[in-house]
Amino acid sequence: DVKVTQSSRYLVKRTGEKVFLECVQDMDHENMFWYRQDPGLGLRLIYFSYDVKMKEKGDIPEGYSVSREKKERFSLILESASTNQTSMYLCASTQRVPGQVLAKNIQYFGAGTRLSVL
Amino acid sequence: AQSVTQPDIHITVSEGASLELRCNYSYGATPYLFWYVQSPGQGLQLLLKYFSGDTLVQGIKGFEAEFKRSQSSFNLRKPSVHWSDAAEYFCAVGAGYGNKLVFGAGTILRVKS
Repeated sequence: DVKVTQSSRYLVKRTGEKVFLECVQDMDHENMFWYRQDPGLGLRLIYFSYDVKMKEKGDIPEGYSVSREKKERFSLILESASTNQTSMYLCASTQRVPGQVLAKNIQYFGAGTRLSVL
Repeated sequence: AQSVTQPDIHITVSEGASLELRCNYSYGATPYLFWYVQSPGQGLQLLLKYFSGDTLVQGIKGFEAEFKRSQSSFNLRKPSVHWSDAAEYFCAVGAGYGNKLVFGAGTILRVKS
């Protein structure tokens, strides 16, 4: 089974802190994603990565950055946390299938990190 | 750009009753369509997907969905709901080479005994 592990289930941070959310997958997947989930808004894509050291902005990248130094690990960074970044954060990964569009790939999700910024 | 609408924020059904969760998408060509489920405290799990072909697709846990191009819909159904089906359900659409998934706002299903 594919396993996507997010290092923390719950985090409480203070405004202005630098926050790191970690995600590790064990299936050698090339593509990894970070979403935030808010009630009534569903999942919104923050950033994604096609490969090591590669990153692409999603729909709501403002206030976030990412790092992918190893294939299995994708980190989301809040440079200076703000209260409006209180949310559930979900990581996902997919395998790259040669010749297949990215949107066809099944995404495998971690259990999420619930971040509260006070 | 593609978008997804799930008109029902909450739905409550009795155990053993049938279920239909609505999903409407916006996209000019044939989209790739997915239903995911999120149980409390868990990540999302794929229920089923539609890419092409037969418009009625079967998924896990007894769920099915029907793609209707004329209505731009991809509604999820289950003939008899179990208490363990209580969860949040997300419809998602993807389209075009390199495009990512766009998710709907989700529908929370409550099952009453």
